Amino acid sequence: DAGVTQSPTHLIKTRGQQVTLRCSPKSGHDTVSWYQQALGQGPQFIFQYYEEEERQRGNFPDRFSGHQFPNYSSELNVNALLLGDSALYLCACRGTRGDTQYFGPGTRLTVL
Amino acid sequence: QKEVEQNSGPLSVPEGAIASLNCTYSDRGSQSFFWYRQYSGKSPELIMFIYSNGDKEDGRFTAQLNKASQYVSLLIRDSQPSDSATYLCAVKSGSSASKIIFGSGTRLSIRP
Repeated sequence: DAGVTQSPTHLIKTRGQQVTLRCSPKSGHDTVSWYQQALGQGPQFIFQYYEEEERQRGNFPDRFSGHQFPNYSSELNVNALLLGDSALYLCACRGTRGDTQYFGPGTRLTVL
Repeated sequence: QKEVEQNSGPLSVPEGAIASLNCTYSDRGSQSFFWYRQYSGKSPELIMFIYSNGDKEDGRFTAQLNKASQYVSLLIRDSQPSDSATYLCAVKSGSSASKIIFGSGTRLSIRP
């Protein structure tokens, strides 16, 4: 796999707060995608970063923003949290074989 | 119509039998197809990918692709209790660089 790490593992926030989630791909893996996975659903694409720029975006509001650093690590920021933002947030990095993507362990966000 | 559709299951298969998981997709321009396995509380793990019509085998797993019918399947031979998980079908959109769209997953249960 791409040796993707994410932090924190779990997070509890209250409505209206802001949260920052972090993702570090294995060295040399330059493309990072973020997904939201609600309970019982498949992952939903939030956005993708490559060369420190947002390249694609899914159907998520502007409350969801991100950043990629020169070392390819990435952050996902969510402002004005809603109860519906409770989910598993997954970071995926492009592997060495074609279009393959490998997921990190995820961050479980609970909004109360 | 959902972009990637899977039967949610649960699909119950006896140990040692063949488990057959199916997926249909709506974008005829899709180029790349993936199967991920997800254990409860864990992140998705890539187990197969296929790009061309036909079959692709890897150990006990066989992925089958029929682009004319917009159909992808995963066969698991000699099913083991450890194969019990949710299987996610994912399709790379033909209209964008690396956006991957997931189905909601099929829960597979292997009964001893």
